[in-house]
Amino acid sequence: DAMVIQNPRYQVTQFGKPVTLSCSQTLNHNVMYWYQQKSSQAPKLLFHYYDKDFNNEADTPDNFQSRRPNTSFCFLDIRSPGLGDAAMYLCATSRDRGNSDTQYFGPGTRLTVL
Amino acid sequence: AQKVTQAQTEISVVEKEDVTLDCVYETRDTTYYLFWYKQPPSGELVFLIRRNSFDEQNEISGRYSWNFQKSTSSFNFTITASQVVDSAVYFCALSEVMTGFQKLVFGTGTRLLVSP
Repeated sequence: DAMVIQNPRYQVTQFGKPVTLSCSQTLNHNVMYWYQQKSSQAPKLLFHYYDKDFNNEADTPDNFQSRRPNTSFCFLDIRSPGLGDAAMYLCATSRDRGNSDTQYFGPGTRLTVL
Repeated sequence: AQKVTQAQTEISVVEKEDVTLDCVYETRDTTYYLFWYKQPPSGELVFLIRRNSFDEQNEISGRYSWNFQKSTSSFNFTITASQVVDSAVYFCALSEVMTGFQKLVFGTGTRLLVSP
């Protein structure tokens, strides 16, 4: 089945230690998104890639970076995680980025910062 | 600015009861799309439905149904004969196109607890 895969499902890191989260998709979609979701809150968009074009949200901290080496993979790098970065990180994809496109989400990676 | 309001923070029902989750939205766009997603305890956001602003027909999919009313800017979701597996957080979202790309504006979610 075509899907969005995230690895690992659970990640524990230490304060200030860089961490990378991975997302892959078999849907061959052009757009990949990264969301941060804290407990009991709605998902918050961090950035997205439209093909190789990177689009950052204005309020996304510089601590968060992303890479998309090819159509299938996208990575979220947190350069120096703080305690406030503990959250669920959700990857999503859509065929295109028009108003009507549906975003399909992966299972998420739950990040714990010690 | 666009906004989605899910006033019900948490709803508890007993299995087999019907339950309606409310969603009210604000937008200045004439063309827009509305979505419902389900987030079970596992964390994945599962797509349930997409509805465009020109289609006000109600939709039914098994035990799920959706009532879209432009006059009241509402897109409510009803689960008939609820089951324990329906326990999850449900998000309503509005699609806006800003600077050339779609951005989902999510409501704060409604947590549904279905007990046996």
